[in-house]
Parts: sequence; structure tokens; C-alpha cells
Amino acid sequence: DIVMTQSPDSLAVSLGERATINCKSSQSVLHSSNNKDYLAWYQQKPGQPPKLLIYWASTRESGVPDRFSGSGSGTAFTLTISSLQAEDVAVYYCQQYYSTPQTFGQGTKLEIK
Amino acid sequence: QLQLQVSGPGLVKPSETLSLTCIVSGDSISSNNFYYWGWIRQFPGKGLEWIGTIYYSGTTYYNPSLKSPVTIAVDTSKNQFSLKVTSVTAADTAVYYCARRPAYCGGDCWAYWGQGTLVTVSS
Repeated sequence: DIVMTQSPDSLAVSLGERATINCKSSQSVLHSSNNKDYLAWYQQKPGQPPKLLIYWASTRESGVPDRFSGSGSGTAFTLTISSLQAEDVAVYYCQQYYSTPQTFGQGTKLEIK
Repeated sequence: QLQLQVSGPGLVKPSETLSLTCIVSGDSISSNNFYYWGWIRQFPGKGLEWIGTIYYSGTTYYNPSLKSPVTIAVDTSKNQFSLKVTSVTAADTAVYYCARRPAYCGGDCWAYWGQGTLVTVSS
């Protein structure tokens, strides 16, 4: 199985500041046939299911604010929130869907400083 | 608007079978041949685990790392799909989600989720 490791486990950022969450995969999730990384990011708020934010490592899901961006390729990825809003407090997960079984990172808890 | 609703018991005894149904409304489960449907669970410590995915035709693929045997089936006449986990143990205690994957991410990324249901395995 591909192991997804996120860092940090928790993060406190001031409102309006940048938040950066990292995700590393134990194997590359870049598909050579289409040069796409099979990597997604999710946001989960308390009592809610996860919400898809980003797929293909950097493509924003419809309706997701443009302060959310994804970057990286191969085995190292980053989710960036450019200007933290109060409603962004949540746990964030990365997921690889390159190979079976698809696997998730352990989550990063984002709070307001 | 698509809605997914998980139905099933919240308490299952060890060694018995966990059975859940995902009721789909707002769209036909077989209306688009690019959609796949899946089960994902979330453990009390918040870790997420994919269980399996099904296509409306009945084609399935499962997480080979699961310790308990799993079966996913679809019933297009009732617009729903189901999950069975046999011989459950306390380790199967989790919130169970059903979800739909869209066509545009090329694989199992999950764009629509049901609210999930907590299943506790305990005698």
C-alpha cells in the first residue's frame, strides 16, 4: 500500500495569514500515461463528511474558493490557504487514488492562532 | 440535487454481519456511465479507510488490506447500493460513509458524500 504522511499534525495560523500543509507519498502517484498526479485534498469540519477541495494535485473542485491551492508532483505535495479565514478551521486530508488500495493521510488539524 | 443517505443499525455484535444501505436520491444510480459509488469509513481516531467501489453494472473492487470480508452490491431498481462486512470485530467500529466519484478526476476521488452513520461493534 502507498503510505501518505502529512505534516504537521496540527497547525495554528493567524487570520489572514498563509497556511501550508504538506503530504508525502511512499511511492510516486504520477501517472506516466497522462502526466497527472492522482492526489486529492479534502477538508473536514466537525460533524460533517469530508469535502473534496482539490484533485489532480492542483485542480480546484467547483465552488472551492481560490484561496485554496494545491501544488507538487510525484511524491511531495502541498495544500496552501493563502489568507486564512475563520471558516477554514478544519482537519485536512490528502488522498492518493493512483493505486489500489487508495489511501489517505492521517490528517492535519488547522486552527486559528 | 444529489443526496446520499446511509441506513442501517448503529450497533452490531462481534462476529456478526454489519449491513448498511446507501439510498441515492436526486439522481439515478445508473443515469451516467461515468459515475462510481463507494464506501469509506472513518475510525474514532479520525483515520479514513476506503472499503470498496462499485459501478452500476455491479463491477466491484475492494480494499485488499481489509481484515474482515466485505461485499458491496447495487440495486438499480431501488436506486441504492449496499455494504456487508462479515465477522466484525471491535476494530470495525467507525463512521461509515457512502460517496460518489465524478468522472473528471480519473479515479476514486470522492466529490459527494452522505452524512455517514456510526456503527459500533460491541456485545
